[in-house]
Amino acid sequence: DVQMTQSPSSVSASVGDRVTITCRASLGISSWLAWYQQKPGKAPKLLIYAASSLQSGVPSRFIGSGSGTDFTLTISSLQAEDFATYYCQQSASFPRTFGQGTKVEMK
Amino acid sequence: QVQLQESGPGLVKPSETLSLTCIVSGGSINGYSWSWIRQPPGKGLEWIGDISYTGSTNYHPSLKSRVTMSVDTSKNQFSLKLSSMTAADTAVYYCARPDKVAISIDYWGQGTLVTVSS
Repeated sequence: DVQMTQSPSSVSASVGDRVTITCRASLGISSWLAWYQQKPGKAPKLLIYAASSLQSGVPSRFIGSGSGTDFTLTISSLQAEDFATYYCQQSASFPRTFGQGTKVEMK
Repeated sequence: QVQLQESGPGLVKPSETLSLTCIVSGGSINGYSWSWIRQPPGKGLEWIGDISYTGSTNYHPSLKSRVTMSVDTSKNQFSLKLSSMTAADTAVYYCARPDKVAISIDYWGQGTLVTVSS
């Protein structure tokens, strides 16, 4: 299995801050990586696919980068509606695996 | 707009088999693979498996001995069976659709909480 390790597990930030979340794969996965946002009681929402492509309708402040084993999700200017938990997921191989999640909390 | 809706019991007894169905509306089940993903309360996401519209499957190795997925293209729905349920299987179960190209999940059901308890 490809293990996905996210860091940090939580981050405290304020509106307007730049927030960076990293995701490391235990094996190279090329660009087969997605980022999701999940709010309490809701299904995850796709933000970024193919490591750096912005899903339709997602604000441009969400930026994905990386390839191989190291990936980053950056929120360039945190907005109030961005406080949530973020997950990375690889789709390079079976079983599909998710990172453990990063909770973005209000400072 | 594709919509997915899970249906099934909210409570299952230990050792019993969970049966969930996902009804797909707003689009055809044909041409795509379909996923089941679960999330224990307060924890992260776990992929259970995929089934294609042709019926071919991929299951998580840790669940493979207990999982059966099926698809009914005539009813535009797919199903999950998970046998020998224990408290560790208590979770919100999501059905979902991976995109054809990037295989990222672009459509999710709302999720259904399944509790295992006697």
